[in-house]
Amino acid sequence: DAKTTQPPSMDCAEGRAANLPCNHSTISGNEYVYWYRQIHSQGPQYIIHGLKNNETNEMASLIITEDRKSSTLILPHATLRDTAVYYCIVRVANAGGTSYGKLTFGQGTILTVHP
Amino acid sequence: GAVVSQHPSRVICKSGTSVKIECRSLDFQATTMFWYRQFPKQSLMLMATSNEGSKATYEQGVEKDKFLINHASLTLSTLTVTSAHPEDSSFYICSAREIGTGFTGTEAFFGQGTRLTVV
Repeated sequence: DAKTTQPPSMDCAEGRAANLPCNHSTISGNEYVYWYRQIHSQGPQYIIHGLKNNETNEMASLIITEDRKSSTLILPHATLRDTAVYYCIVRVANAGGTSYGKLTFGQGTILTVHP
Repeated sequence: GAVVSQHPSRVICKSGTSVKIECRSLDFQATTMFWYRQFPKQSLMLMATSNEGSKATYEQGVEKDKFLINHASLTLSTLTVTSAHPEDSSFYICSAREIGTGFTGTEAFFGQGTRLTVV
């Protein structure tokens, strides 16, 4: 799976958009970009994923550059409950075998939303 | 979304004793579950892959005789930390993938984690 690079920490004011970047310059054509987050002392929570098109769901938007070497997770109206570590993970989807569902976590970005 | 439950959420044990952590998929069947460990201020590290009806696959550096994994049914995997020592104190997290599904994107559903403290 391709390696990702994220800033170690970011701050965001409550109610503003939080834009979390991720670099994945070695991504392969069949690798997806996944975002998970981990609120303190909880298990990771799936946020969103995408291949090359921008994606949006009820939690966030995912913007992937045309060359797919980087992406940005956008939380449109951050709240205090969005304070968490955000992980950007790149991997082959539906890989099959025992690797299906296995995720390799980097250090992630600690997002702090302040009042 | 699918629910994965871990029990207990917190446990304190004495050095030298064994501790069992359960991971259950509540509303789906899981042929494969994954066990992760997370030390303070660090990321999750995969320990092992648990396969229903067969032996677990351990990541390099993880002692299989110390961390016993049993996946006896399609909804339950257990991790037993044997002869626990203070350095085993950590946050243990399981995840599960649903049997027979195609690509859903979410793939992995995580439990809420178990905080183990060995004193």
